[in-house]
Amino acid sequence: QVQLQESGPGLVKPSQTLSLTCTVSGGSVSSGSSYWSWIRQPAGKGLQWIGRVSPAGYTNYNPSLRSRVTISLDTSKNQFSLKLSSVTAADTAVYYCARHLAATHTFDSWGQGTLVSVSS
Amino acid sequence: QSALTQPASVSGSPGQSITISCTGTSSDVGGYNYVSWYQQYPGRAPKLMIYDVNNRPSGVSNRFSGSKSGNTASLTISGLQAEDEADYYCSSYTSISTVVFGGGTKLTVL
Repeated sequence: QVQLQESGPGLVKPSQTLSLTCTVSGGSVSSGSSYWSWIRQPAGKGLQWIGRVSPAGYTNYNPSLRSRVTISLDTSKNQFSLKLSSVTAADTAVYYCARHLAATHTFDSWGQGTLVSVSS
Repeated sequence: QSALTQPASVSGSPGQSITISCTGTSSDVGGYNYVSWYQQYPGRAPKLMIYDVNNRPSGVSNRFSGSKSGNTASLTISGLQAEDEADYYCSSYTSISTVVFGGGTKLTVL
């Protein structure tokens, strides 16, 4: 059973870059059947897909965030990462990493989520 | 991309059936059979309940079922139980190789 765990700062200042890492265990980020996605959820609101990275390092991003987002893979550490630049208070949310099955575009395994607040 | 449209809330009594709708466009829900449904309890990560419109992952109760007609997908929960009270989200693959979620529906078991 694959498990995912998010890590990174819980507080980021406005205009700075939010950086999170997801560590995968029980499975390989190099698996050809899986993409790896980031999803966020502001308090009391719905889920928003941020983007995904393939085992080969190809990425797709939510058009509304594309100009500020970078998702990358580190196969040596079995991790993938999220960078979101020029953050504002609107980027305050719980950030989840998830395994994104390529065949069904389904998120079958999720991290527990990490709250990131944007505040000076 | 716009979020898929779900009712903000639905409710039902124990033992009853409820249906949650998820409306998109021909560029997402209507164009692909890649609709999924997730259950989320407060403070918890979402859990996959339905994938590919009407398939249940192993371990998910057969009281949960999915369907699709045109640009609208639906999640039906039969034999409603208190433990079903949660938020439910639909998602769909899109024509621009992204994934879009619905706004979420709060299910209350009366």
